[in-house]
Amino acid sequence: AQTVTQSQPEMSVQEAETVTLSCTYDTSESDYYLFWYKQPPSRQMILVIRQEAYKQQNATENRFSVNFQKAAKSFSLKISDSQLGDAAMYFCAYTGNSGGSNYKLTFGKGTLLTVNP
Amino acid sequence: DTGVSQNPRHKITKRGQNVTFRCDPISEHNRLYWYRQTLGQGPEFLTYFQNEAQLEKSRLLSDRFSAERPKGSFSTLEIQRTEQGDSAMYLCASSFGLTSYNEQFFGPGTRLTVL
Repeated sequence: AQTVTQSQPEMSVQEAETVTLSCTYDTSESDYYLFWYKQPPSRQMILVIRQEAYKQQNATENRFSVNFQKAAKSFSLKISDSQLGDAAMYFCAYTGNSGGSNYKLTFGKGTLLTVNP
Repeated sequence: DTGVSQNPRHKITKRGQNVTFRCDPISEHNRLYWYRQTLGQGPEFLTYFQNEAQLEKSRLLSDRFSAERPKGSFSTLEIQRTEQGDSAMYLCASSFGLTSYNEQFFGPGTRLTVL
């Protein structure tokens, strides 16, 4: 079974600084996708960024980028120029592209990010 | 279209009662998913539909749980004979397309409290 581990329950960052959230996963599949979702307090979860495992190039979305290390099964999220609105719970998630994990997301336990003014 | 909606947003019930939640996905989204999220945990997959067909159910979904998506539109999740362990946030998500890469759009959730 696929597992996703987020080893940092909480992180904090100063406004305008950079922070990196860690995520590791375990899978025997070769074709899969990885995601970072953001869940603001009392708000619904939204997609931040996603990565296709077969692509070597790291995904980037404005201030958000990932460091995808396939061999190490690591998928960290870097937030640059942190803003107060970035404060939220961040979830790393995995889904396979074949077999039993197809379509469903497997989430980590999340990292609560605090942004200090 | 304003996104995925869920009703009710909060539900308090007594142990042993039945509850039903509703999810309205984004129009034209062919896939609909249910997840359960407990305090301090990430969401856990319960079941998903492609159009009206329920294609996968997690082993977390005991016989007391049933989900439907008639006509491939809205979906309902019913819990019979609720137990205190059912207390959680129930999240619905929808997506369009046929690959796992398609973004899942989440609703605000229904928070269930079983007394």
